Amino acid sequence: GEEVAQTPKHLVRGEGQKAKLYCAPIKGHSYVFWYQQVLKNEFKFLISFQNENVFDETGMPKERFSAKCLPNSPCSLEIQATKLEDSAVYFCASSRTTGYNEQFFGPGTRLTVL
Amino acid sequence: GQQVMQIPQYQHVQEGEDFTTYCNSSTTLSNIQWYKQRPGGHPVFLIQLVKSGEVKKQKRLTFQFGEAKKNSSLHITATQTTDVGTYFCAASYNTDKLIFGTGTRLQVFP
Repeated sequence: GEEVAQTPKHLVRGEGQKAKLYCAPIKGHSYVFWYQQVLKNEFKFLISFQNENVFDETGMPKERFSAKCLPNSPCSLEIQATKLEDSAVYFCASSRTTGYNEQFFGPGTRLTVL
Repeated sequence: GQQVMQIPQYQHVQEGEDFTTYCNSSTTLSNIQWYKQRPGGHPVFLIQLVKSGEVKKQKRLTFQFGEAKKNSSLHITATQTTDVGTYFCAASYNTDKLIFGTGTRLQVFP
């Protein structure tokens, strides 16, 4: 598609529950990025992929967060045992080549952990 | 880690006034991008600056990259209500990931 698609739009989880977010990058884009935006507008880089390979995972909280980009499937970001501080909007972005180029952002998934 | 400081945090202007937001890094940047995020929306790419001292214009928007590639600015001339939103700079430091500035929220009063 011509836009980055993210599902669901909103997700509510009780503390300790699992959350799974999905992202379909723009067709033909090789790079996928996940960012977390908390209420104060701060963006935090989580992880990036080059096709199905992890490219940079320096931002990922390793204990509870995991992500995948498998061929012919939407990319996913999974949070095991969610905590209150995981409440945020999670944006997926894709770019044609590397991150040195324009990144196209999806509409985001708002995760609320109660 | 690498940080990009952006000021001011908020700016309220009367329609027709000018607006400027500044980004500063303590280390040299590979490039810097600017994004605009409307309330409730997602970041939308505005421009990318790569060269030292580069200046780019888009209608009423002027983007500058410092000579030392450590700072950048976005200037909007004669703001309009459609300019409302949060403007983020996003820096690359020899890697592909973007380090976002803290953003400047612009409010324009008619």
